[in-house]
Amino acid sequence: DVQMTQSPSSLSASVGDRVTITCQASQDITNYLNWYQQKPGKAPKLLIYDASNLMTGVPSRFSGRGSGTHFTFTITNLQPEDLATYYCQQYDTITLTFGQGTRLEIK
Amino acid sequence: QVQLQESGPGLVKPSETLSLTCTVSGGSISSQSYYWGWIRQTPGKGLEWIGSMKFRGDTHYNPSLGSRVTISLDTSKNQLSLRMTSVTAADTAVYYCGRDPGTRITLFGEVLSRLCRFDPWGQGTLVTVSS
Repeated sequence: DVQMTQSPSSLSASVGDRVTITCQASQDITNYLNWYQQKPGKAPKLLIYDASNLMTGVPSRFSGRGSGTHFTFTITNLQPEDLATYYCQQYDTITLTFGQGTRLEIK
Repeated sequence: QVQLQESGPGLVKPSETLSLTCTVSGGSISSQSYYWGWIRQTPGKGLEWIGSMKFRGDTHYNPSLGSRVTISLDTSKNQLSLRMTSVTAADTAVYYCGRDPGTRITLFGEVLSRLCRFDPWGQGTLVTVSS
């Protein structure tokens, strides 16, 4: 299986900050990577697909980039409602795998 | 828009069979445009893909779950189902169903259908394995 390693595992930031989460794949996955947001007690929600494409209706303060084995997810102008855990997920192989998650707290 | 809702017993005894249903509304499960899948979430292992299938199409399972898992579609009820045999405490999790649009990739000149992402997800249902 392709192992997805996210960092950091948790972070705390203030409203208005810019935060970046990294996802490292154990092998080249081209751009076959998605990002999800999971708010407390809720199901994950797809935010970004194919590494950098924003889902319809998702605020433009969310963005993603990367290819190969290194990917980043960025939130600019952090808002209180961005409190959540964020996951990356690869689909280069038939066995879909997720990162372990990054918990984002708002100071 | 399409919505998914999981249902099933919240408590299953060890060694028994876990059976869950996901009811789809606002869309047809017999559409050839989508895969329908199951994902589970545990505090220890995080999010784990269980398997996905397409109506009259291919079915894929996570090899880590071996032959314990069966996914099926019931077009008369617009539902997908998950059956997991010989459960243990390690199968205690929140179980989600989700829709996957799939994608096509070209590999060595051959066009292949590939799973890709889940959108939307159901709200999830907690299953506890305990005697």
